[in-house]
Amino acid sequence: QAQLQESGPGLVKPSQTLSLTCTVSGDSINNGDYYWTWIRQPPGKGLEWIGNIYDSGSTHYNPSLKSRVVILIDTSKNQFSLKLNSVTAADTAVYYCARDNRYWGSQEWGQGTLVTVSS
Amino acid sequence: QSVLTQPPSASGTPGQGVNISCSGSNSNIGRNYVSWYQQLPGVAPKLLICRNNQRPSGVPGRFSGSKSGTSASLAISGLRSEDEADYYCASWDDSLSGPLFGGGTKVTVL
Repeated sequence: QAQLQESGPGLVKPSQTLSLTCTVSGDSINNGDYYWTWIRQPPGKGLEWIGNIYDSGSTHYNPSLKSRVVILIDTSKNQFSLKLNSVTAADTAVYYCARDNRYWGSQEWGQGTLVTVSS
Repeated sequence: QSVLTQPPSASGTPGQGVNISCSGSNSNIGRNYVSWYQQLPGVAPKLLICRNNQRPSGVPGRFSGSKSGTSASLAISGLRSEDEADYYCASWDDSLSGPLFGGGTKVTVL
């Protein structure tokens, strides 16, 4: 069973780029059965899928965020990352990384990290 | 469709049963499996049901899932105080190539 851990700044200024890394342990990120996924949850609101990446580097993004999002994978470090540019206060949320399978769902999640967008 | 449709709240007394509905479309629930997640306050969601009706190891048998057409439901029987949480349905969406989540249902144990 994999363990996932998010890391990155907890405070980002408006118009700047939010950058987070998810470190995977307990399994290789090259395991071809899974998508590596970013999900966020604004305070008091529901879950929003941001996007995912396959071990080949193939990505899919939520259309509502697609113009501002990049997800990358580093198989040598067993990590994947999220970059969200031109952030506003509406991007303030707890950001989760997760291991997802289209048939089995997301069985493993990171603990989540709160990112606040404020000057 | 930006989210799957769930009722915002549900409640019951200890020992009672609660059902939560989840409505989608042919691009998600109609053609793919449904998962359910339980989120206790301040922690990450936990997978409760996968592949429409299968419970991962460690999930009590009081939780059960079903799916029909473009809708799904989660049933909780024998409600306990520790079941008070937010519950989310999710289904792979073919147009997104990713999961689409429901808006969440807050379950209150009276």
